[in-house]
Amino acid sequence: AQSVTQLGSHVSVSEGALVLLRCNYSSSVPPYLFWYVQYPNQGLQLLLKYTSAATLVKGINGFEAEFKKSETSFHLTKPSAHMSDAAEYFCAVSGPTGNQFYFGTGTSLTVIP
Amino acid sequence: KAGVTQTPRYLIKTRGQQVTLSCSPISGHRSVSWYQQTPGQGLQFLFEYFSETQRNKGNFPGRFSGRQFSNSRSEMNVSTLELGDSALYLCASSLSGTGLFEQYFGPGTRLTVT
Repeated sequence: AQSVTQLGSHVSVSEGALVLLRCNYSSSVPPYLFWYVQYPNQGLQLLLKYTSAATLVKGINGFEAEFKKSETSFHLTKPSAHMSDAAEYFCAVSGPTGNQFYFGTGTSLTVIP
Repeated sequence: KAGVTQTPRYLIKTRGQQVTLSCSPISGHRSVSWYQQTPGQGLQFLFEYFSETQRNKGNFPGRFSGRQFSNSRSEMNVSTLELGDSALYLCASSLSGTGLFEQYFGPGTRLTVT
């Protein structure tokens, strides 16, 4: 069985501060992990993905995430928050067989000017 | 390349009615998944189709059904609508049948049941 847990449904950071959004996964098989962003009234957009290559994954808009197997974590970070980063962020896991993605409940990021 | 398109974007229905939502995947994508998104539940998986076959199904009642056509376009149908079915319904397509390939999402259909 696979699942993800996103710690913190709401995160607020000041503009220019570090963004850290937490995701822990549970998987009985080597996981594929994804971060998506959703802006109001839009669908989800892929930020980055981990598919068992490099453990540090760089994505769009300056985001990156590190896969830590020992901690079963895939936290999303960005060194300096911009106002445009305010959105809902979803972590997702899938496996090598089948095509079923399991999404976390999301973290709403607020950027304070 | 055109993205995933969903029609209609907004829909208002009355309890007891039925509704059909449509999704056109990215050209060449053979897998289409459907999700229900609500503020309290997040994204909940409805079902996934690959080459016209339903391969995975989430934990939703039988009132929710879907199908996929030979051109990979997909429809989902909800019969006997309930107030709790009000949600954003998202469709996502991916290239292949494994979890290796990311899903590309459409803008969603906002369904309101009154």
